[in-house]
Amino acid sequence: AQKVTQAQTEISVVEKEDVTLDCVYETRDTTYYLFWYKQPPSGELVFLIRRNSFDEQNEISGRYSWNFQKSTSSFNFTITASQVVDSAVYFCALSGNAGKSTFGDGTTLTVKP
Amino acid sequence: DAGVIQSPRHEVTEMGQEVTLRCKPISGHDYLFWYRQTMMRGLELLIYFNNNVPIDDSGMPEDRFSAKMPNASFSTLKIQPSEPRDSAVYFCASRPTGTPKRTSETQYFGPGTRLLVL
Repeated sequence: AQKVTQAQTEISVVEKEDVTLDCVYETRDTTYYLFWYKQPPSGELVFLIRRNSFDEQNEISGRYSWNFQKSTSSFNFTITASQVVDSAVYFCALSGNAGKSTFGDGTTLTVKP
Repeated sequence: DAGVIQSPRHEVTEMGQEVTLRCKPISGHDYLFWYRQTMMRGLELLIYFNNNVPIDDSGMPEDRFSAKMPNASFSTLKIQPSEPRDSAVYFCASRPTGTPKRTSETQYFGPGTRLLVL
């Protein structure tokens, strides 16, 4: 069975602060993929990043960065210098050999001006 | 590419009525997923298809829910009869089959259908 835990239900920061969203996962598969999706107030789900279980290199994309630690089964997401437009619900997801994804409950990020 | 297309975008219906949600996956994607999102339960996978065949429908809540995929470019999710507790946002997503060593590829979501059952 797969499980994704996003322990932070809600986070509130002031613009320009850095913020890290935590994601911890469980799986018995040796090959799996981890994802982050963003759901802004408009409701659509936007894909942000995918990492496979064999690649633990951290990734940076502009103000976004991801830290994959297989040893602790974590895939954390950091937004540097947050902006109001970053306000959204962020979902971490895991996809294993069965082909279907398991989503965490999401973390609601509010960035105040 | 137009992305995953869902219709209708909004649906308001009365309890007991039949509701049909539609999805057109991205061309070339042979996996299709139906999700339901509510405040109480978050994102739940209802069912998914591979090459038009239902693979796992264990997330379908009740016999009132049914899904079909008659061809590679169209799927429906039907609720009959609908109940107020079915009110939710229903997402459709699709993805391609990965290469042999990459069994999981990114899912791309449609805009969702907001269903309200009165």
